[in-house]
Amino acid sequence: GAVVSQHPSWVICKSGTSVKIECRSLDFQATTMFWYRQFPKQSLMLMATSNEGSKATYEQGVEKDKFLINHASLTLSTLTVTSAHPEDSSFYICSARGLTSGGSDTQYFGPGTRLTVL
Amino acid sequence: AQTVTQSQPEMSVQEAETVTLSCTYDTSENNYYLFWYKQPPSRQMILVIRQEAYKQQNAMENRFSVNFQKAAKSFSLKISDSQLGDTAMYFCAFMNTNAGKSTFGDGTTLTVKP
Repeated sequence: GAVVSQHPSWVICKSGTSVKIECRSLDFQATTMFWYRQFPKQSLMLMATSNEGSKATYEQGVEKDKFLINHASLTLSTLTVTSAHPEDSSFYICSARGLTSGGSDTQYFGPGTRLTVL
Repeated sequence: AQTVTQSQPEMSVQEAETVTLSCTYDTSENNYYLFWYKQPPSRQMILVIRQEAYKQQNAMENRFSVNFQKAAKSFSLKISDSQLGDTAMYFCAFMNTNAGKSTFGDGTTLTVKP
């Protein structure tokens, strides 16, 4: 099946620094990738939709200058949390839209990145 | 806008028994996909089963099957012969076929008891 990787799996940083999270589709090309944020025992909250070669589309309430998204190629999207603060601490998950071996349209998820801002 | 509702925050089932998780959704679209994802303690989202809205036949994947009622906008998941490894949070999701955006329910935490 399709595999999506995320790096790093966890990161601890000081308040005011920036953190970059990478999301890669390893064995398929993803024209669209999505970034989610998840708090403990809660659902996934869509932050933005990332299309290769174009600007990301952010959901209402998500600060685009705070969460910079770049989708440079069909297999790589990055999320940069700029000037991170403790309230940005969360679990960030990316997903990539691709086709199953049977040709079905599906989202495949990365393993997530746990961000802790001190 | 689409909404997805999972009315059961927590459920439990005895090992080897059958359990059904409910999900309802609201949309004005005719073409879409529905999914059930499993999120174990590792927090990796795992696709359990998918259903295309245009298909009348209910999807099945081994011990997992769905009851898709399009008119009622209902999409329940049945897990047969429950195993300890099925313990996880389960999310129902609606996917728009054009934009590919998914809307998730709040999740149901399932505990399989030995």
